[in-house]
Parts: sequence; C-alpha cells; structure tokens
Amino acid sequence: DAGITQSPRHKVTETGTPVTLRCHQTENHRYMYWYRQDPGHGLRLIHYSYGVKDTDKGEVSDGYSVSRSKTEDFLLTLESATSSQTSVYFCAISESMRAGRTEAFFGQGTRLTVV
Amino acid sequence: KNQVEQSPQSLIILEGKNCTLQCNYTVSPFSNLRWYKQDTGRGPVSLTIMTFSENTKSNGRYTATLDADTKQSSLHITASQLSDSASYICVVERGGADGLTFGKGTHLIIQP
Repeated sequence: DAGITQSPRHKVTETGTPVTLRCHQTENHRYMYWYRQDPGHGLRLIHYSYGVKDTDKGEVSDGYSVSRSKTEDFLLTLESATSSQTSVYFCAISESMRAGRTEAFFGQGTRLTVV
Repeated sequence: KNQVEQSPQSLIILEGKNCTLQCNYTVSPFSNLRWYKQDTGRGPVSLTIMTFSENTKSNGRYTATLDADTKQSSLHITASQLSDSASYICVVERGGADGLTFGKGTHLIIQP
C-alpha cells in the first residue's frame, strides 16, 4: 500500500450524529480524493483536494464536507449521518494530473454503517 | 453521459484456465484507460494504464487491450491462479482532477 492510512477502518454510528473519517498519506502527493463504493455502482467521487485548503466537489458531495489543513491529511465529515450514507469509503492520492500518466493509489477503505 | 460498462458482472473459472473481461466506454474526451484489481476488503490496485496511442499493455499474466475507435477494452488473464479471485474494475479518465469514471467491476472467482 502506497503510504495511505484510513481511520477508522470500521465504524457504526447512529442517524443524525456527525462522523469524521481521516485519510493520512506519507507520499507528499498533491491530490487527495474521497470516494464511496456501493453495490451496483462504480466508485463515485465525493470531494477532492488539489492542495492545502483547496478542495472541490465531486459527483456525490451532498451531505459531506472536507478539510485539508496539511498536505498529509484529508478529512471527510458527515455533518448529520443518514442511512443512505452507509457505504465503504476510499481515500486515494495522486502526484499530478499529467494526462495519461496520473497513477492513483487507494487506501484500504472505511466501512461505515449508519443505523 | 460518461459511462463505463463492464461484462460479465461475474465469472467463475477453474484454476489454470484463461479468461477475458470486457469494458465498453462512452467517456469523452478520452485521456487514458486503466484496469484495477480489488481484493475483498481492500482498496483497488492498478494493473495497467493505456493512453490513446497504446493498444496493448501487459503486467505479468495480465494483458489489457484498447481499441479507441470502438471504445472497447479487454483484460485477458492467462493461466489463472487462486489469488486472481477479485473484482476487476475498468476506469476511464477524461482529464482533470475529477475526471475518473469507474465501471461497476467484474467479480472473478477462481475455483481449484
């Protein structure tokens, strides 16, 4: 695994509670991403970051916020968790966006269950 | 709409046999196509990346092909091993930080 650590790996939370997932990298890559993976869907982009304090929305950003105060950390927050946010969340990193050669490395995933 | 379609959804083959997985895409503009392997409970791991000008790429027993004219790709696995049991995901990039479109994957099971 390319120096990416997601925490926690598993979490069960109640509807309406706030939840924060952490992604930590040791590769000093500029770009960081949060995806969710659900049965019947490909991975879908939630938010991404292209530098410290620089973030943007992805395809399924509603109900999620992110922060990146340091190069190595990218936090995903569910302000008020809902059952539809039960999913496996993956963090990914990449060094650059040079077309054709942008390798993306994925973390191990966080399985979140909202009850 | 940018889409990546994979077939079959699932596949069971005997150890030692070969298999081919298919990927069709409608992503535009095209930058590159990737194949990832995802073991159960793990994150995806890159197998190959092909740009427009590359029509074949190998990584050990894995060989990917790309036909940019018909917008089709295939992943051929030779002499399958039990460790090849996984989901294989086709991903097409159109460029830009949010430019990856993922297929739903093919779930491959290798039986002894």
